[in-house]
Amino acid sequence: GEDVEQSLFLSVREGDSSVINCTYTDSSSTYLYWYKQEPGAGLQLLTYIFSNMDMKQDQRLTVLLNKKDKHLSLRIADTQTGDSAIYFCAENKGANNLFFGTGTRLTVIP
Amino acid sequence: DAGVIQSPRHEVTEMGQEVTLRCKPISGHDYLFWYRQTMMRGLELLIYFNNNVPIDDSGMPEDRFSAKMPNASFSTLKIQPSEPRDSAVYFCASSQSSYEQYFGPGTRLTVT
Repeated sequence: GEDVEQSLFLSVREGDSSVINCTYTDSSSTYLYWYKQEPGAGLQLLTYIFSNMDMKQDQRLTVLLNKKDKHLSLRIADTQTGDSAIYFCAENKGANNLFFGTGTRLTVIP
Repeated sequence: DAGVIQSPRHEVTEMGQEVTLRCKPISGHDYLFWYRQTMMRGLELLIYFNNNVPIDDSGMPEDRFSAKMPNASFSTLKIQPSEPRDSAVYFCASSQSSYEQYFGPGTRLTVT
């Protein structure tokens, strides 16, 4: 497909793990990103992964990359209410501008 | 650093009026991006600059939209005349020759 695809919604209970999935479009994308947007705020870079890696861990965040399937996932361990936000996947398609997915709205239930 | 600064944070205007949105990128960053976010279309790249020069404006919706970057520390996005369908949140982002873009808080534009 031409667009970066994500599920629109995800609900998890506090303390559980969240997994947000993304399918990107271009195998030439050098970097893949996860951004977080809280209500009324701009996008905040959470983490990114270089295309020659298949996993990156940063505290509670784990990014998995499957280049063959062009699939990217973000796992948040021990999800907290403060993690409730919209999460955007993005790819750079080998250029300097980014192409964003539709965003996944994560709701954490106390 | 204060991060990317945008002004105003909120703008309400009447159809037909000119609107100017402002952005100050992070000092030292050589790329500047303007995005628009709506419920219907998500996040769209409008235009981006490198070293103050517009590189790709293919996302600018129509001639009513224009963007300038007169120097490394300032950019404007102008809509003239504005229409209700321009109502959205407009984001500015900057980066330093890398792929990590830093976003401003956005300007929420409402055109009545």
